[in-house]
Amino acid sequence: AQTVTQSQPEMSVQEAETVTLSCTYDTSESDYYLFWYKQPPSRQMILVIRQEAYKQQNATENRFSVNFQKAAKSFSLKISDSQLGDAAMYFCAYRATPGGSNYKLTFGKGTLLTVNP
Amino acid sequence: DSGVTQTPKHLITATGQRVTLRCSPRSGDLSVYWYQQSLDQGLQFLIQYYNGEERAKGNILERFSAQQFPDLHSELNLSSLELGDSALYFCASSVHSGLNQPQHFGDGTRLSIL
Repeated sequence: AQTVTQSQPEMSVQEAETVTLSCTYDTSESDYYLFWYKQPPSRQMILVIRQEAYKQQNATENRFSVNFQKAAKSFSLKISDSQLGDAAMYFCAYRATPGGSNYKLTFGKGTLLTVNP
Repeated sequence: DSGVTQTPKHLITATGQRVTLRCSPRSGDLSVYWYQQSLDQGLQFLIQYYNGEERAKGNILERFSAQQFPDLHSELNLSSLELGDSALYFCASSVHSGLNQPQHFGDGTRLSIL
């Protein structure tokens, strides 16, 4: 079974600085998708960024980028120029590719990010 | 706004009762997923429907059931409620279960069992 591990329960960063959140996963499949979701205090689940495993290029969305290391099964999220609005719980998630057993998201336990002014 | 609508936002009830949570997916989305978020279990997949048919099951208790209707809205039924069922229940939708489409989440229904 696939598992997702986020080893940092909490992280903090100064406003305008850069922070990296870690995620590792375990799977026997060669093709899959990885996601980072953000959950602010409002409890909404907001998609931040996604990465297809077959793509070697790391995904980037404005201030958010990932470092995808397929061999190491690592998928970290880098937030540059951190803003107060980035404070939230961040979840790493895994999803099998089409044709796999199902399309559920498997989530890590989350990392609570605090942004200090 | 994700376009996924969940009602009600909050639900308070007692042990042994039955409740129904409702989800309207984004316009055009055929797949609906239900997730449970609790303090001890984290975010867990419960069940998926695609165009009215059950597609996948996760850690869903036998006391829980779901369905997706012809208009594509979905309902999650929770019965014989226990204190441990208190959680935030999310519905998510995507265009197609077989394509690279992210799941978009509703705002969740917070269920409190007294």
